[in-house]
Amino acid sequence: KQEVTQIPAALSVPEGENLVLNCSFTDSAIYNLQWFRQDPGKGLTSLLLIQSSQREQTSGRLNASLDKSSGRSTLYIAASQPGDSATYLCAVRDSGWGQNFVFGPGTRLSVLP
Amino acid sequence: NAGVTQTPKFRILKIGQSMTLQCTQDMNHNYMYWYRQDPGMGLKLIYYSVGAGITDKGEVPNGYNVSRSTTEDFPLRLELAAPSQTSVYFCASRTGLPEAFFGQGTRLTVV
Repeated sequence: KQEVTQIPAALSVPEGENLVLNCSFTDSAIYNLQWFRQDPGKGLTSLLLIQSSQREQTSGRLNASLDKSSGRSTLYIAASQPGDSATYLCAVRDSGWGQNFVFGPGTRLSVLP
Repeated sequence: NAGVTQTPKFRILKIGQSMTLQCTQDMNHNYMYWYRQDPGMGLKLIYYSVGAGITDKGEVPNGYNVSRSTTEDFPLRLELAAPSQTSVYFCASRTGLPEAFFGQGTRLTVV
């Protein structure tokens, strides 16, 4: 059974810092990995999707990497801003249960002005 | 573009009551999913559907039922609400392409 973990559970940084969020998964037989952002009381916003054949994806100040063989992904946020404060969820899609996403518990990020 | 629409956004139920959480998507997606999210936890799959007329259980199906009579709609039914079903519920959909789209969630409290 696929399990996804995220470290750290919570992170507080001053504005302007670069930071890395970590995601680990137990079964490397995945189709893809997706990073989401969730604001308090809101739904999920897709940030980046990495196919299993890819090593990384970039969007603006965000860069996500994937090392499928070691079961790890990182989300790098450059020059963090207070507006980046949210919970970041990592999810992998594998062959189980209608090829659904298996989610990690999330990292709660606070960027202080 | 409406995307994935969930109703209601909030609901308070008494123990033993029943209700249906509605989910509609206008993207002609075959795959649809229901998840629940408990505080500090990731989303867990309740039920999923790979097309109209086809549904199956996910990781935590007990206490829930679903139907998929059309491509657009995937309602989630709670028959006898229990406090353990207090959670935030998310509906999602996708095509055969990898990216999934999520609704805004339904916050349910059972008292």
